[in-house]
Amino acid sequence: AQTVTQSQPEMSVQEAETVTLSCTYDTSESDYYLFWYKQPPSRQMILVIRQEAYKQQNATENRFSVNFQKAAKSFSLKISDSQLGDAAMYFCAYRRQLNTGTASKLTFGTGTRLQVTL
Amino acid sequence: EAGVVQSPRYKIIEKKQPVAFWCNPISGHNTLYWYRQNLGQGPELLIRYENEEAVDDSQLPKDRFSAERLKGVDSTLKIQPAELGDSAVYLCASSADRGYEQYFGPGTRLTVT
Repeated sequence: AQTVTQSQPEMSVQEAETVTLSCTYDTSESDYYLFWYKQPPSRQMILVIRQEAYKQQNATENRFSVNFQKAAKSFSLKISDSQLGDAAMYFCAYRRQLNTGTASKLTFGTGTRLQVTL
Repeated sequence: EAGVVQSPRYKIIEKKQPVAFWCNPISGHNTLYWYRQNLGQGPELLIRYENEEAVDDSQLPKDRFSAERLKGVDSTLKIQPAELGDSAVYLCASSADRGYEQYFGPGTRLTVT
């Protein structure tokens, strides 16, 4: 079974600074997707960024980027120029690439609460 | 385009009472998911539908939980009877056929007293 571990329950960053959230995962699969979701107090999970395991290039979406280390099974999220609106719970998630059987299920970590201070 | 709609947003019930949650996925999305999120945890899949068919319900406690997706559109998740441990947020998500991006609704926070 796949597992996702987020070892930082809480992180804090000052506005306009950069912060990195850590995520490690365990899988025997070679093809899969990795995601970072943001969950504000409204509870709605919002996709921040995704990474296909077969791609060596790290994904980037505006101020959000990832450091994907496939051999180390590590997938960290870097938020640059942090804004007050970035404050939320952040979840790392894993999904197998093949869309058959249970393949499309997302496996989540326990989350990291990000606080953004002035 | 409207997102995933869920109702109610909040529900408080006494243990042993029944409760139902409703989800309307994004139009055209064939795959629908119900997740349960316990306090301080990430969501965990309860059941996944491909159109009307439940293709993954291995984590659904079938003695008290049931779900249906009539006509392959909206879905209802029911708990009967509810237990204290069922207090959680119940999230619904949908994705396009064989699409990998899941879109989530705002969830229903259930409190069982």
